[in-house]
Amino acid sequence: GEDVEQSLFLSVREGDSSVINCTYTDSSSTYLYWYKQEPGAGLQLLTYIFSNMDMKQDQRLTVLLNKKDKHLSLRIADTQTGDSAIYFCAPNSGYALNFGKGTSLLVTP
Amino acid sequence: KAGVTQTPRYLIKTRGQQVTLSCSPISGHRSVSWYQQTPGQGLQFLFEYFSETQRNKGNFPGRFSGRQFSNSRSEMNVSTLELGDSALYLCASSLGLGDSNQPQHFGDGTRLSIL
Repeated sequence: GEDVEQSLFLSVREGDSSVINCTYTDSSSTYLYWYKQEPGAGLQLLTYIFSNMDMKQDQRLTVLLNKKDKHLSLRIADTQTGDSAIYFCAPNSGYALNFGKGTSLLVTP
Repeated sequence: KAGVTQTPRYLIKTRGQQVTLSCSPISGHRSVSWYQQTPGQGLQFLFEYFSETQRNKGNFPGRFSGRQFSNSRSEMNVSTLELGDSALYLCASSLGLGDSNQPQHFGDGTRLSIL
């Protein structure tokens, strides 16, 4: 199966930028997703990038894809305390999603 | 537009029992996928249904099964429950068209606890 690796924790100050990184192994992934999970809730689709793109910007979110290195990143500009959550990288494998363990983002005032 | 609805939100069962979880997809979505989330294994894909047919299956034992109805609603069943089945079970829906993955939208999950 596919391996998806993310760092487990990230702590940033409010107002700074956050960068969450992800590496994956399945080069056939056509869509690469970022999901957010708050305590007690399901997964919220934040954004996604198609494999033939290298960058996508969506308001405060910027996704960068380096397909050669199989590296995906999510940048959150002007991070707010409400952004504290677990963020999952999820490349697709056919119809299924392969999830990393998630990065727990803590935003401090 | 209503999101993905999962019922019940919480469930407590004992070992050896069976359980059925329900998922109503977003209106117009024909694909429903199920995932299991545990602290140890993270999020793992169970199966995916499209037009009442199982189109893709993860690496879970046969105790885990599912089905999809003509209105795209889906149920998953776990028989002979084990302590290790305690998890958050998440359902996701997507349009499901074409031959590749499309954005999946998740419900809030059913938290299953096995005593």
